[in-house]
Amino acid sequence: SAVISQKPSRDICQRGTSLTIQCQVDSQVTMMFWYRQQPGQSLTLIATANQGSEATYESGFVIDKFPISRPNLTFSTLTVSNMSPEDSSIYLCSVQGAPSGNTIYFGEGSWLTVV
Amino acid sequence: GEDVEQSLFLSVREGDSSVINCTYTDSSSTYLYWYKQEPGAGLQLLTYIFSNMDMKQDQRLTVLLNKKDKHLSLRIADTQTGDSAIYFCAESLPAGGGNKLTFGTGTQLKVEL
Repeated sequence: SAVISQKPSRDICQRGTSLTIQCQVDSQVTMMFWYRQQPGQSLTLIATANQGSEATYESGFVIDKFPISRPNLTFSTLTVSNMSPEDSSIYLCSVQGAPSGNTIYFGEGSWLTVV
Repeated sequence: GEDVEQSLFLSVREGDSSVINCTYTDSSSTYLYWYKQEPGAGLQLLTYIFSNMDMKQDQRLTVLLNKKDKHLSLRIADTQTGDSAIYFCAESLPAGGGNKLTFGTGTQLKVEL
């Protein structure tokens, strides 16, 4: 299985600031995704991180609020911009593709609290 | 449309079997997944089943899929206290060369002694 590392694992952020979350995979993968899990809720897909091009965002999520980079096949970043308390969530990186094939794995998540 | 539903809670006694149910609405789902989330942790992939299969067994886990009724279940045999967690089912749909997941609401499993 793919080993996925996310940084930071936890953070407390001030309202109005931005934070960049990193996702590093130990092998090359085809697809990388970013999900959000609000407190006590299920997971919602934010966007698909495309290598070398702009991310594909789901309805309700925009690039200005959640800029995403994916410079290569093993690394991606998600920035949460101009944070408000409503952005307090777990942000999870997910990967699919070689060597995992059809299996989809998740990182341990980045737990953000905005105060 | 995409809508995945699960019951919110399930309580079982240690040693009994647990059955967690899930219904989905999109008939074009390719794979269906089960994940486990323990308190303060990320998602652990338990198992998945291809949409043209009826059943998949992996040690204590049995997945049953009724594609006609769009119903998925996860059976955990000999449930242990370490199985206490939230279980999410998810359906996958093609997206940009891969598969994006739509998650259910999650079922909190409580295992009592």
